[in-house]
Amino acid sequence: GAVVSQHPSWVICKSGTSVKIECRSLDFQATTMFWYRQFPKQSLMLMATSNEGSKATYEQGVEKDKFLINHASLTLSTLTVTSAHPEDSSFYICSAPRDGQTEAFFGQGTRLTVV
Amino acid sequence: QKEVEQDPGPLSVPEGAIVSLNCTYSNSAFQYFMWYRQYSRKGPELLMYTYSSGNKEDGRFTAQVDKSSKYISLFIRDSQPSDSATYLCASGLAGKSTFGDGTTLTVKP
Repeated sequence: GAVVSQHPSWVICKSGTSVKIECRSLDFQATTMFWYRQFPKQSLMLMATSNEGSKATYEQGVEKDKFLINHASLTLSTLTVTSAHPEDSSFYICSAPRDGQTEAFFGQGTRLTVV
Repeated sequence: QKEVEQDPGPLSVPEGAIVSLNCTYSNSAFQYFMWYRQYSRKGPELLMYTYSSGNKEDGRFTAQVDKSSKYISLFIRDSQPSDSATYLCASGLAGKSTFGDGTTLTVKP
């Protein structure tokens, strides 16, 4: 199946610093990518839709200035958590559907711990 | 009300049992229905995908969708310890999926 690669798989950062997470579609083009957050024992919550060449669309309650999304190419979207705080500690997962298709493929996730 | 509601579990069954996992959805615009398997600390893995009412079979897995009742099911036959994971149902449009909360399944040898 299609491969979506997410990097890093885990990161620990100090409170107040910024962290960038990359999501790459390795063998297909993805005009759209999705960013989710998952807290322990909870489901995936959609944070934002990343659109290649245009601004991301954020879900209600997600701070766009805190979670910066850039989708500069058809195979790469990045999520930057700015001025991270301990409450931002979570599992962040990206997904990408092949263009023209609906089923999405997920990255392996990034576990962010802010200390 | 959540758009996708999933039977919470957890579920524990002996090896070889038939497992039934269930979800309902409320948005009649949803066109696509998926089941994902998620192991601890990993991203979800797509198991089954369908866009119509009826059954879809893949090996030991059968996905069932009833659009009239907005009901989604996943059946696992001859369950194995390696099937132990959290299973997430999802419905949506154009790749944008709404997930259920997941059901954690444990298959005991």
